[in-house]
Amino acid sequence: QVQLVQSGAEVKKPGASVKVSCKASGYTFTGYYMHWVRQAPGQGLEWMGWINPNSGGTNYAQKFQGRVTMTRDTSISTAYMELSRLRSDDTAVYYCAREPIVKEVGMDVWGQGTTVTVSS
Amino acid sequence: SSELTQDPAVSVALGQTVRITCQGDSLRSYYASWYQQKPGQAPVLVIYGKNNRPSGIPDRFSGSSSGNTASLTITGAQAEDEADYYCNSRDSSGNHRRVFGGGTKLTVL
Repeated sequence: QVQLVQSGAEVKKPGASVKVSCKASGYTFTGYYMHWVRQAPGQGLEWMGWINPNSGGTNYAQKFQGRVTMTRDTSISTAYMELSRLRSDDTAVYYCAREPIVKEVGMDVWGQGTTVTVSS
Repeated sequence: SSELTQDPAVSVALGQTVRITCQGDSLRSYYASWYQQKPGQAPVLVIYGKNNRPSGIPDRFSGSSSGNTASLTITGAQAEDEADYYCNSRDSSGNHRRVFGGGTKLTVL
């Protein structure tokens, strides 16, 4: 079955970096954008960016430009999101979600989420 | 602040119809997709495109769009529809970026 499985929870200190992985299975990894979305405690969803696993091209929300890096390893069907210079307000659940590259039809499969806690 | 604006909260009586709206300039050019999120769970896509439901989404969910406003309608709301609902579309930058609305908390009375 189609699924996205994310890496486990992380606790980081301010100023550090975190790298979250998202392993895809059950579909052609290179046929779908991988979006990254986060949700701070009690807050709404926030789009961070996407990566095109076929080309490696990325598109980041302006808010995260310079701090976020999205990569992929097609050999193991895994996408990565690295966020640097962490602050306490980066504490959130981070999700990956796929969307077909050929047509914008919404993010139809989501990972289970990865909790990142930033605390000194 | 979000480029897509949603009412923070809406309520509906059990079995009645409710419409959740999403406003933004980019909606004049692009469709919205809609997501349902229940506490402690990942979001679920419920509507995409002009008015399309993924497999497994009940047909009481429908979508529409007019001008700068996209709408999600639930006809005959059920108790299990109580959740947060988010719209998503391109932002107005023209750079293929996306943005979520602030979300609407739906209460079924």
